[in-house]
Amino acid sequence: AQKITQTQPGMFVQEKEAVTLDCTYDTSDPSYGLFWYKQPSSGEMIFLIYQGSYDQQNATEGRYSLNFQKARKSANLVISASQLGDSAMYFCAMRPNTGNQFYFGTGTSLTVIP
Amino acid sequence: DVKVTQSSRYLVKRTGEKVFLECVQDMDHENMFWYRQDPGLGLRLIYFSYDVKMKEKGDIPEGYSVSREKKERFSLILESASTNQTSMYLCASSWGPYNEQFFGPGTRLTVL
Repeated sequence: AQKITQTQPGMFVQEKEAVTLDCTYDTSDPSYGLFWYKQPSSGEMIFLIYQGSYDQQNATEGRYSLNFQKARKSANLVISASQLGDSAMYFCAMRPNTGNQFYFGTGTSLTVIP
Repeated sequence: DVKVTQSSRYLVKRTGEKVFLECVQDMDHENMFWYRQDPGLGLRLIYFSYDVKMKEKGDIPEGYSVSREKKERFSLILESASTNQTSMYLCASSWGPYNEQFFGPGTRLTVL
């Protein structure tokens, strides 16, 4: 069975600090993609970063980086130098190479404190 | 920029009504998806389509149907709305099955 787990329902971080949002996944598929999305209070899901299961290096996109530990089946999102505009829900998702589905976690609510 | 639009941001309907939620994307994407989002449950896939007139059930298709007559448009239909279908509905599209999904702004549906 495919499964994504985000164990932190809510997180707080001080402005300009770094924060790590946890994500673990479960799949028997040897090939898969991992994604992170941000959902501000406006409701629209915004794609942040992607990691392929065979990628040798951790993905980075600006202030976002993905700490991919394949053996532990974890794909944590690291946001550096947090900004007030980073306050939002963050969702981890996995897309196995078999089938056409994305599987989403339940999300983590991040609040950046000035 | 990829644009995914949904017909309404907010919708209020009565129990038993037939409800149509429309989604349009402007980037010639093959794949389109309908999710519902509920607090504490994340996003759950209702239906998806990988080609015109093709559709596949997701995790929670009961009470819903879909239509994809044109590549750019994917409609979600609630044949007889019920109060437990009150939710946020998100439409998404992607180039291919392995690419990131682009989402619309969502429709918050309330069924009274």
